[in-house]
Amino acid sequence: SQQGEEDPQALSIQEGENATMNCSYKTSINNLQWYRQNSGRGLVHLILIRSNEREKHSGRLRVTLDTSKKSSSLLITASRAADTASYFCGAGGTSYGKLTFGQGTILTVHP
Amino acid sequence: GAVVSQHPSRVICKSGTSVKIECRSLDFQATTMFWYRQFPKQSLMLMATSNEGSKATYEQGVEKDKFLINHASLTLSTLTVTSAHPEDSSFYICSAHSVERGVHNEQFFGPGTRLTVL
Repeated sequence: SQQGEEDPQALSIQEGENATMNCSYKTSINNLQWYRQNSGRGLVHLILIRSNEREKHSGRLRVTLDTSKKSSSLLITASRAADTASYFCGAGGTSYGKLTFGQGTILTVHP
Repeated sequence: GAVVSQHPSRVICKSGTSVKIECRSLDFQATTMFWYRQFPKQSLMLMATSNEGSKATYEQGVEKDKFLINHASLTLSTLTVTSAHPEDSSFYICSAHSVERGVHNEQFFGPGTRLTVL
């Protein structure tokens, strides 16, 4: 089954606005992670939230996790043009170290 | 810290040739390395999981004889695309996981290798 479905697929906002991306998954998870990918590059780890956590903050990033709804959201506050990238959630299940990625959200922040 | 490199970053080859891609963890020992394939504007598709000294575990639908993975040491894994064809053209990304560095399942990604098969 597909894990880590994201929406929206694409998001276009103005600098200074907040960006919210959502992720849903189908099976039980150990943790959920968000990554960022600039065009043609590898992924950069942003934040990890464990299955027993509900919310986590890191700088301008805020992640929530609702295990009852099997969903997570990533909020980027006060966005900057440099935040333009693709964002992926990765669902970490019982297989140690293994992640299943969703389709990703392409975020474009206009200056 | 937790840097993963890939080499080459870009390769163009003729159909029928084999291409080897290296993935190295530069400042830590990777318990496990993962190989992904990514098509333009799509997500990462896990191809295989590689543990040092043992055979790789391939995902369903991935041909193990086509994509040879060797995990010779705790800092190096290689992916060889054998008898490459144009449909193998893609962006290949490796990641490394370490019990020491990763809190749980955190993976550290290489910069990727763009393979173009003519």
